Order: sequence, then structure tokens, then C-alpha cells
Amino acid sequence: DVKVTQSSRYLVKRTGEKVFLECVQDMDHENMFWYRQDPGLGLRLIYFSYDVKMKEKGDIPEGYSVSREKKERFSLILESASTNQTSMYLCASRRGARGNQPQHFGDGTRLSIL
Amino acid sequence: GQNIDQPTEMTATEGAIVQINCTYQTSGFNGLFWYQQHAGEAPTFLSYNVLDGLEEKGRFSSFLSRSKGYSYLLLKELQMKDSASYLCAVLDSNYQLIWGAGTKLIIKP
Repeated sequence: DVKVTQSSRYLVKRTGEKVFLECVQDMDHENMFWYRQDPGLGLRLIYFSYDVKMKEKGDIPEGYSVSREKKERFSLILESASTNQTSMYLCASRRGARGNQPQHFGDGTRLSIL
Repeated sequence: GQNIDQPTEMTATEGAIVQINCTYQTSGFNGLFWYQQHAGEAPTFLSYNVLDGLEEKGRFSSFLSRSKGYSYLLLKELQMKDSASYLCAVLDSNYQLIWGAGTKLIIKP
């Protein structure tokens, strides 16, 4: 079974802090994704990566950056946290370049910015 | 623009059958996924359809009509553990997933 592990289930930070969310997958998947999930909205893609050192902006990249130094690890960084970044953050990984493989998700990090 | 529509919430009775609909308007189509998400948990993959027709997987079936931009997820012999949100997602022409907001399914005894 694919295992996608996010470093924290719950996180509380203050406005202006730099926040790191970590995600690790154990199945040697090439593709990794960061989403945020808010009530009444579908999953919204923040950033994704097709391979090590590669990153692509998703639909809502503003205020975020990412890092993929190793294939198994994809980090999401909130450069200066703001209250509108309070959300559930989901990491996912997927095998291969073709999109028809399913994405496998971590359990999510519920982030509160005070 | 790209759009995925699914009902916000549905209620059904244990042991019954429920159909969750999903309509989509996207730039291109490379398949449609259904995921299940229990409250506070990760979404888990249920099905993938790229050709028209019905695909059955145990108690769950998924149907696709590409000409109508329509899919449904059919759940039979409902169990209490099927209470969850069901997410519809379409793979567009760039192989990016476009997600619906999800349908919260409530199962009553």
C-alpha cells in the first residue's frame, strides 16, 4: 500500500510566521501535489512537482512556495502566514507522468493561523 | 471556465441504494475519478472512468457519459460506514485534476 505521511495533523501558528508543511511518500512516485481544502469548495491545487527539483504552480500559488530536494519529500512553505491561509492542507502523490493513475493522499494538516 | 457540479448533501437509509451525480464542463477530458473521504481523513480512490458505460466494483458502480458530461456513483446495500463525502474529479486536457466540492452522504439507520 502507498503511504503518504504528513508531518503534523494539527498546527497552530501566528500571523507573519514562516510555516513548513512536510510530506513524505514511500512508493517512489514521480509526481507530488499540495492542495488546500475549504468547506464548500473543491480541492484547490497550490503547487505540484513532476520530479526532483521540479515545481509547477497550481491554481492558487500566491503566498506559498515549495521544495523538492528528494524524490520522496515535498515541502510546502508559507512565507509569511496570514489568517486567510487557515485551511486543511492535503499532500498527494501519483505514479508516472500519465495523469490517469490515481493520486494517493496523506491524512492532511489542519492549519490555523491566529 | 471549468466546472464540476455535484449535490452538496444527500441522505439515504441503511440497506438502500443511492446515486450521486456529477456533471462537468472542462477543457478537454482524459477521465473521471471518484474518491471517498471520511470526516477528518484522507480521500481514498474509488474508481476511474474514461470510456462510456458502467463499471462495477462490489457494492460501488460508476457510470460515465462523455457526450452528456455526466457521471454517477451508485452505492448499493448501504452501510453506516458509507457515511462520507464523495468527490468527483475530472482530468482535463492538460492532465490536471479539476475537483468538485464533494457530496456529503448521510446514512440513517
